Amino acid sequence: AQTVTQSQPEMSVQEAETVTLSCTYDTSESNYYLFWYKQPPSRQMILVIRQEAYKQQNATENRFSVNFQKAAKSFSLKISDSQLGDTAMYFCAFMTRGSGAGSYQLTFGKGTKLSVIP
Amino acid sequence: DTAVSQTPKYLVTQMGNDKSIKCEQNLGHDTMYWYKQDSKKFLKIMFSYNNKELIINETVPNRFSPKSPDKAHLNLHINSLELGDSAVYFCASSQGRSMGTQYFGPGTRLTVL
Repeated sequence: AQTVTQSQPEMSVQEAETVTLSCTYDTSESNYYLFWYKQPPSRQMILVIRQEAYKQQNATENRFSVNFQKAAKSFSLKISDSQLGDTAMYFCAFMTRGSGAGSYQLTFGKGTKLSVIP
Repeated sequence: DTAVSQTPKYLVTQMGNDKSIKCEQNLGHDTMYWYKQDSKKFLKIMFSYNNKELIINETVPNRFSPKSPDKAHLNLHINSLELGDSAVYFCASSQGRSMGTQYFGPGTRLTVL
């Protein structure tokens, strides 16, 4: 079974500092996508960043970047210059083949609650 | 313009009732999903439809019945609601059956009393 593990249930960071959220996954597939989603108190699920497994270059979106280590099955998220608006639950997700023919589905980790402290 | 919308955002109801949650997307996507987020914030896929065809049906009680009148809509009907059905339900959409990014709606918080 495909699993996604986020080992840090809660983290905090000072405003303007850098924080790294960890994620590991387990799969036997070679072609897949990985995602980080953010869920602020508003409850909305917001895509932060995505990484295609076949790409060696780590994805970057403004202050957000990932460290993708395919052999180690690790996909950490680095947030630079943390802002108060970054306070949220962060979910790592792995795109896997679904139970239906030709389907794909997201498998989520249990989330990391990040608090940015002024 | 809202890309993926759900109604209602909050739903409070009594045990045994039947309720529906509606989802609409204006992204032109052809694949839609329902996810359930439990009280511990864990998200899990329930259903997926591609062009109105059911393609994923995870282990979900048959009291839950998705309905897709067209590829822009995927509604979730729940019969005989139970306390354990209390959760946040998210609709999402993506383009095609491939590994496309899924875009989520705002969620519907269902509370069963």
